[in-house]
Amino acid sequence: DTEVTQTPKHLVMGMTNKKSLKCEQHMGHRAMYWYKQKAKKPPELMFVYSYEKLSINESVPSRFSPECPNSSLLNLHLHALQPEDSALYLCASSRLGRGYEQYFGPGTRLTVT
Amino acid sequence: GESVGLHLPTLSVQEGDNSIINCAYSNSASDYFIWYKQESGKGPQFIIDIRSNMDKRQGQRVTVLLNKTVKHLSLQIAATQPGDSAVYFCSPYRTSYGKLTFGQGTILTVHP
Repeated sequence: DTEVTQTPKHLVMGMTNKKSLKCEQHMGHRAMYWYKQKAKKPPELMFVYSYEKLSINESVPSRFSPECPNSSLLNLHLHALQPEDSALYLCASSRLGRGYEQYFGPGTRLTVT
Repeated sequence: GESVGLHLPTLSVQEGDNSIINCAYSNSASDYFIWYKQESGKGPQFIIDIRSNMDKRQGQRVTVLLNKTVKHLSLQIAATQPGDSAVYFCSPYRTSYGKLTFGQGTILTVHP
């Protein structure tokens, strides 16, 4: 199984809402990543987890809160987002030591109204 | 008034042709250079990597060339197929940093 799944596929939320994005992989990867991708732009790294611990935070605003409850799951909790946060949010995983070979999910298309 | 948007580099080829996608980089301290493709509606997919001490690496229908003198990376796709239509991203990778930094991307369109 080389699949990374993400739910939901689409999400529309208001600026006062709280929502969560979910990501799951069963490849035994111990590194997991969140990226943000705006239209016609490359993915931009937000967070990296290694062994379920946050190892990289690319100065992401606190309205984005990541969580890695176990080695297969990665969540991104959203609160008080702004319309400019509308984007495709991608999750990825990799083996430790092979972080250049990441497996990406299809993403969650987020619209903030 | 007139609006100006960001236009990605594009490459349009006929099915069966060979394609060459180019990438310039600035950081010479990278351990690897990586190519990913992203098809419409999907997440990026790893294609091939090359270690910084190599000049050439071949995969299935793809070849990556690294010219460290001019800081240039290229991806050659042989016998391009419609399924190769995608946006192609390059990224340096430094093991100690542990993160990818994608370039702007190139849109490849393959016409049947």
